[in-house]
Amino acid sequence: EPEVTQTPSHQVTQMGQEVILRCVPISNHLYFYWYRQILGQKVEFLVSFYNNEISEKSEIFDDQFSVERPDGSNFTLKIRSTKLEDSAMYFCASSQGPGLTGTDTQYFGPGTRLTVL
Amino acid sequence: AQSVTQLDSHVSVSEGTPVLLRCNYSSSYSPSLFWYVQHPNKGLQLLLKYTSAATLVKGINGFEAEFKKSETSFHLTKPSAHMSDAAEYFCVVSDRLDTGRRALTFGSGTRLQVQP
Repeated sequence: EPEVTQTPSHQVTQMGQEVILRCVPISNHLYFYWYRQILGQKVEFLVSFYNNEISEKSEIFDDQFSVERPDGSNFTLKIRSTKLEDSAMYFCASSQGPGLTGTDTQYFGPGTRLTVL
Repeated sequence: AQSVTQLDSHVSVSEGTPVLLRCNYSSSYSPSLFWYVQHPNKGLQLLLKYTSAATLVKGINGFEAEFKKSETSFHLTKPSAHMSDAAEYFCVVSDRLDTGRRALTFGSGTRLQVQP
């Protein structure tokens, strides 16, 4: 069964450094998402991406964040200058359709645990 | 605004006994509702979804959930727990926000422990 993959599984970085989290969505999916979960808190929506542009973003997704689909398979989340509070598990997801109704399911990757020191 | 409340952060059951994981939601419109499960070091896997058709929804691995609009609930049940059911379970609602944007909102999760 096809699945969403994410690399690395764990990333440790120093405050102020740039990080890029990578995701390979399911191959025939068109909609891509990033979520994060700070330890002990809820999973939060960050951004959705379709047709090479951001379609939705939350208040969390500020100018420090960017997303890109650099080629036909990868979908990346970049944090320009990491802060301590960016430490979290980051989940990538993909769906065939908009993924927000029962007709289009979002499939999630295993997550990347980002630790900012 | 939409919200999801999972009433129990931890649930412990014995193998072979029923499972009940509770979820209440608030929504201004007709929501879609989901249950996802997360096993250790794995991604979030869809268990089942409510799409405004049948109110009793059957999912994978013997789980089911009933949408009760009058109670704004979407509780997850399974008649007989298996050791492999031990995981974190998330109730999720998709709804149209006041801004017109649709979004998924996650509950805080319920950790299910299954005792032998």
